[in-house]
Amino acid sequence: SQTIHQWPATLVQPVGSPLSLECTVEGTSNPNLYWYRQAAGRGLQLLFYSVGIGQISSEVPQNLSASRPQDRQFILSSKKLLLSDSGFYLCASRGRGVNTDTQYFGPGTRLTVL
Amino acid sequence: QQQVKQSPQSLIVQKGGISIINCAYENTAFDYFPWYQQFPGKGPALLIAIRPDVSEKKEGRFTISFNKSAKQFSLHIMDSQPGDSATYFCAASRRGSTLGRLYFGRGTQLTVWP
Repeated sequence: SQTIHQWPATLVQPVGSPLSLECTVEGTSNPNLYWYRQAAGRGLQLLFYSVGIGQISSEVPQNLSASRPQDRQFILSSKKLLLSDSGFYLCASRGRGVNTDTQYFGPGTRLTVL
Repeated sequence: QQQVKQSPQSLIVQKGGISIINCAYENTAFDYFPWYQQFPGKGPALLIAIRPDVSEKKEGRFTISFNKSAKQFSLHIMDSQPGDSATYFCAASRRGSTLGRLYFGRGTQLTVWP
């Protein structure tokens, strides 16, 4: 089964600073990968998805970007953080075989922008 | 436009009672309906899922009821326990799609009082 790692677990950053969140996946190869944001007490907003290395699609225009430099690595970045970027960021990986319709989530990164 | 509508937003149930969360969808192409459970500070985890070829699926105390004609599905938690207190998300997707995107409801925060 898959294991999704996210780093860091928590992060406090000032407005205007850069951001880099990392997601790595074990136990599968060439998975579809997703970045979600969850604002406090809110639902899951899909930010980016990737079907392969270097292939990124954005769902919501914003000051965030994503990259996939390796098969099982997905990175969320920003050049200048805004207050509204605060939230809980989740990386997810698509299942394989009989579980291909399922997404498996990582433990998340709590980002606070001050 | 919200593809999957979930209600209620919050739910308080006494220990031993039945918790019921409802979801509705519009896209008749959806044919996979999972429920996710999320504890505070953690990533969502797949709880149970159903496909439209059956009207009900039960796993332990958790049951999904599915009404294809009404385009509705619901989660029933029997004998609710304090440990069930979490946020529950319903979702829908099209099986076998290239992207494998899940469309999530906004979530229901369940509190089970001892």
